[in-house]
Amino acid sequence: DAKTTQPNSMESNEEEPVHLPCNHSTISGTDYIHWYRQLPSQGPEYVIHGLTSNVNNRMASLAIAEDRKSSTLILHRATLRDAAVYYCILVDTMIYNQGGKLIFGQGTELSVKP
Amino acid sequence: DSGVTQTPKHLITATGQRVTLRCSPRSGDLSVYWYQQSLDQGLQFLIQYYNGEERAKGNILERFSAQQFPDLHSELNLSSLELGDSALYFCASSADLSNQPQHFGDGTRLSIL
Repeated sequence: DAKTTQPNSMESNEEEPVHLPCNHSTISGTDYIHWYRQLPSQGPEYVIHGLTSNVNNRMASLAIAEDRKSSTLILHRATLRDAAVYYCILVDTMIYNQGGKLIFGQGTELSVKP
Repeated sequence: DSGVTQTPKHLITATGQRVTLRCSPRSGDLSVYWYQQSLDQGLQFLIQYYNGEERAKGNILERFSAQQFPDLHSELNLSSLELGDSALYFCASSADLSNQPQHFGDGTRLSIL
């Protein structure tokens, strides 16, 4: 399974943008980049995913480098509710019988200051 | 609310016992995944079922087994429980086998005394 590297922790101020980096230098052409987050005492929550192009949804934006070896999750205005562990995960659905399983790393613990 | 229901929320039992964790996926989702989260191992993929068939296996112990029923709900059976099996067990579901997002339940917290 292709691996990702994320900083252990990051800090942000409320209402400011947050850029969460992820390195995945061994990414393959069929790997999708997924982001999940886990709020305290809750199950993981899907945030966003993409393959090559930048993606936006109501929660966040995903910026993918041209060579796809890194990506950045962007929270446009952090709120206290965004304090969570953020996981960057590569998903290869081209491998038979892998079925999109998620291999979680340590993630980035984001704290948001008022 | 993710639409994925897990029962029970908490389970306390003793070593050597057997327990069953239940998961009802989101309406229409055919794929069910089980994950274990412990303090020392983090979130680990255990097993996946798609429309009743086992599709992928991760770090699942031989003492653990799972199945998905015709109504698509799934059960994770843990037997000969050990202290180290104490963890949060999450179920997730997705529409199919492709790149669709997974939706997680709130988990079952298993405590072995």
